[in-house]
Amino acid sequence: AQKITQTQPGMFVQEKEAVTLDCTYDTSDPSYGLFWYKQPSSGEMIFLIYQGSYDQQNATEGRYSLNFQKARKSANLVISASQLGDSAMYFCAMREGPMNRDDKIIFGKGTRLHILP
Amino acid sequence: GAVVSQHPSRVICKSGTSVKIECRSLDFQATTMFWYRQFPKQSLMLMATSNEGSKATYEQGVEKDKFLINHASLTLSTLTVTSAHPEDSSFYICRSVIGVSEAFFGQGTRLTVV
Repeated sequence: AQKITQTQPGMFVQEKEAVTLDCTYDTSDPSYGLFWYKQPSSGEMIFLIYQGSYDQQNATEGRYSLNFQKARKSANLVISASQLGDSAMYFCAMREGPMNRDDKIIFGKGTRLHILP
Repeated sequence: GAVVSQHPSRVICKSGTSVKIECRSLDFQATTMFWYRQFPKQSLMLMATSNEGSKATYEQGVEKDKFLINHASLTLSTLTVTSAHPEDSSFYICRSVIGVSEAFFGQGTRLTVV
């Protein structure tokens, strides 16, 4: 069974609009962490935002916010006021268990976001 | 901030040759390095976990004799693709970890085997 599910293979959004990228996860571990990464065409992986399973508030980083719905096991990324430079592949990822130096991150299949001028 | 430097960024090699990819942690000690592989338009798949001074742990289905990992120091981990074949053509990327929420990737290596 997939641990991380991103149901949107591709999205087209008009510039300056907000966009929500969906991510659901599956784990029985009470301690876990959720990540979002951006991968432009160059291939580098850019860390965007992190949410710990015990964090009380939704994580925010500038124009990025994570809509964490723990009961639904959902961790959607919201990008406000989208820009042309936001066009990229976006990956949701999860670390199961408490943080230690041997942690593994499992990635979803990704969503290709296209921002239209 | 912490940086993981990965080289080369692109490499083209002939079938049957070996290719070494290096990941260096520039301003921190990377006791653990994760190696991922990404086929075009697909997700990152964990290949192996290397720990400084010990043998790497490979994920199921990854040939350890094909993908040799060495982590001899706290600042350098290497992945060698031995006897490369066209099906090994892929994007390879390393990742290290600092702290609870931070994970640093190398820039990635695009390998093309002709």
